[in-house]
Amino acid sequence: AQSVTQLGSHVSVSEGALVLLRCNYSSSVPPYLFWYVQYPNQGLQLLLKYTSAATLVKGINDFEAEFKKSETSFHLTKPSAHMSDAAEYFCAVSEAGNQFYFGTGTSLTVIP
Amino acid sequence: GAVVSQHPSWVICKSGTSVKIECRSLDFQATTMFWYRQFPKQSLMLMATSNEGSKATYEQGVEKDKFLINHASLTLSTLTVTSAHPEDSSFYICSARAAGRRNTEAFFGQGTRLTVV
Repeated sequence: AQSVTQLGSHVSVSEGALVLLRCNYSSSVPPYLFWYVQYPNQGLQLLLKYTSAATLVKGINDFEAEFKKSETSFHLTKPSAHMSDAAEYFCAVSEAGNQFYFGTGTSLTVIP
Repeated sequence: GAVVSQHPSWVICKSGTSVKIECRSLDFQATTMFWYRQFPKQSLMLMATSNEGSKATYEQGVEKDKFLINHASLTLSTLTVTSAHPEDSSFYICSARAAGRRNTEAFFGQGTRLTVV
C-alpha cells in the first residue's frame, strides 16, 4: 500500500526566506513522487516529479526536491520565498498507471 | 505540457437537479481518468477511476448511482451528480493519464466548484 504524510498543515515563512515543505511516503515498490501546487479555486499544477532518475529534482519557479530512499522522504525546498508562492502544496505518490495518493496538503503563507 | 480542460469551472444548481461536469484531454489521449472531490482546506479524495470504454471503478463509500461517470472516448470523461443535495456541494477535480511515455504523470483540470442550493 502507498501513502503520503505531509508534516505541518501550515507553514509560514518571510519573503526571501528558505521554504521547506516536508513529505514522507510509504510504498511497497519504487515510487513515483510528485509535488503539486494549488491556488484557490483552481486545479493542481505540477511543480516537479521524481521518476527514478536523478534524486535531486528541479522544478518550476526555483522549487526542487530531493528523493531520499533511506529516509523515505521527498521534501520540497525553495531558496527564497516570493509572495506569489503562497498556496496549498500537495505531495503525491503513484505507481505508473495507477492512481495517485495525496498527502493532506500544506498551506504556505509568505509574510512580507 | 498536456492540457486537461474541465467545464464548467463553477455551477450553482437547485436541490434535486442533476449536474454534468466534463473533463477533456486537449492534446493527448487519456486512457485513464480520475475524479476527485475536495472539501475546503482538505486534500483530494479519489472518487472513481475510469478507463475508456469500460465501467468506472468507484472508491469505497462513493455512491455510483449518484455520481455517474462516463468515459466514452479517449479525450472525454463526464461526471454527473444526480439529484444533487446541498451536501454534494464541493470542489470536483478530474485528472487524466496518457498512454505511453507520459504514463508517469497525471494532468489535472481546473476544477469545478459545485454549489447546491
